[in-house]
Amino acid sequence: EVQLVESGGVVVQPGGSLRLSCAASGFTFDDYAMHWVRQAPGKGLEWVSLISWDGGSTYYADSVKGRFTISRDNSKNSLYLQMNSLRAEDTALYYCAKDIEAYCGGDCPLDAFDIWGQGTMVTVSS
Amino acid sequence: SYELTQPLSVSVALGQTARITCGGNNIGSKNVHWYQQKPGQAPVLVIYRDSNRPSGIPERFSGSNSGNTATLTISRAQAGDEADYYCQVWDSSTWVFGGGTKLTVL
Repeated sequence: EVQLVESGGVVVQPGGSLRLSCAASGFTFDDYAMHWVRQAPGKGLEWVSLISWDGGSTYYADSVKGRFTISRDNSKNSLYLQMNSLRAEDTALYYCAKDIEAYCGGDCPLDAFDIWGQGTMVTVSS
Repeated sequence: SYELTQPLSVSVALGQTARITCGGNNIGSKNVHWYQQKPGQAPVLVIYRDSNRPSGIPERFSGSNSGNTATLTISRAQAGDEADYYCQVWDSSTWVFGGGTKLTVL
């Protein structure tokens, strides 16, 4: 079964740091680009970041650029999101998601997100 | 930055056809993807590349895209189709989601 399981979400103070993880199983992880998408409570979906299948390319939403870093360890079938300088507006449920097609180097408008995890909640509050 | 505009809500009678629109500047030149999200659940891809259905998605779900509007059409609407629906495109090296449409089946 293809599965993504996020972890690492906690309550953190403004200005703090946090690393989210996403464990993948049931598919050849290192063939696929991966994404982080977030959803603030009661709000819509917001794309956060993308990493290419080989980790060579990364993209970020303007709202997190310079504060968040996406990475992957293909030997561990894992995706990460390092979150620094956290703000109240970063409070959200964070999902990881898989590209529908293999070998996307980043600029892949044809590629939707076909598998999503259940999310991990990050709350930024003092 | 590119914006996608969706109606906040759409209502449809049970068994009838629902149409959810997604507006954007010359969106017809882009590839549009659609997701369904039920309360407390992760999003599910229902249409990709304007009009393609992933395996397991009923034929009742279809999509089209032309000019400044993409449309998700749900035929013979069922109670289980009640959900939020989001459109998505790639623009200027970022993924953009529409604000979402809440579908109510009456």
